[in-house]
Amino acid sequence: GDSVTQMEGPVTLSEEAFLTINCTYTATGYPSLFWYVQYPGEGLQLLLKATKADDKGSNKGFEATYRKETTSFHLEKGSVQVSDSAVYFCALTRDVAGGTSYGKLTFGQGTILTVHP
Amino acid sequence: ETGVTQTPRHLVMGMTNKKSLKCEQHLGHNAMYWYKQSAKKPLELMFVYNFKEQTENNSVPSRFSPECPNSSHLFLHLHTLQPEDSALYLCASSQDTGEVYEQYFGPGTRLTVT
Repeated sequence: GDSVTQMEGPVTLSEEAFLTINCTYTATGYPSLFWYVQYPGEGLQLLLKATKADDKGSNKGFEATYRKETTSFHLEKGSVQVSDSAVYFCALTRDVAGGTSYGKLTFGQGTILTVHP
Repeated sequence: ETGVTQTPRHLVMGMTNKKSLKCEQHLGHNAMYWYKQSAKKPLELMFVYNFKEQTENNSVPSRFSPECPNSSHLFLHLHTLQPEDSALYLCASSQDTGEVYEQYFGPGTRLTVT
C-alpha cells in the first residue's frame, strides 16, 4: 500500500537557519504530494502541494519539488523564523483507476520543528 | 463561525461512558472526514462521507460510530472505549473527494480514556 516516510525529529534550529525536512514516498501511479503544518493547539493547514513530477510547490518561503526519480518531496526554507515552530506533515493522495478517489490522504508521522531566537 | 469547528476541544471519559464528538463546517463543502492522531504515529483516516453517504470505513472498531445527518455536520459516537483510543480526533472537510480538493481541518478534540 501507499506510505510516506519523514525524517525523524525533533528538529531544532536557530532563527535564520536553513531548513530541510526529508520526505520520501511509496505509491503506484502518480500521486499528488502535500505538506501540511500544525501549529500548537490548532488543526492541520495545507502549506503547499505538487500534483505532477518536477512541479515545485511554494508558500510562505517554503518550497518542495516533486522528484519522481527519487520518490521524494523534501521541504526547504532558506531562513526560518520562530513563528515557523510547528509540526510538519508530508502526505500523498492518489486517484484510483477511473479518475475517481475517495480522498484518502496518507500521512507521514510528522516532524516537530522548534526555532529558537 | 468560520472554517471547521469541533466540540468539545477536550474530553475525558471512562471506559463505560458514551459520548459524542461534533464537527461542523461552514465552507459549503460536501465531503467530511474523521482522522485519529496518536502520539508518534501517522494520522489515520477513519471515515469519509460524501454527500452524507459513507464512502470509506478504514477498518475502524465498532465502538466508534459515525453519523452524518447533513453535509455540514459530522458526529463520532463513542462507547466502551479503551485507553489506547486516547488521541486527538481531527475532523476535515473538502468540496468533494478526490486528490484535487484541499481538505480543511478543524482544531481537533483531545480525548482521554481512563
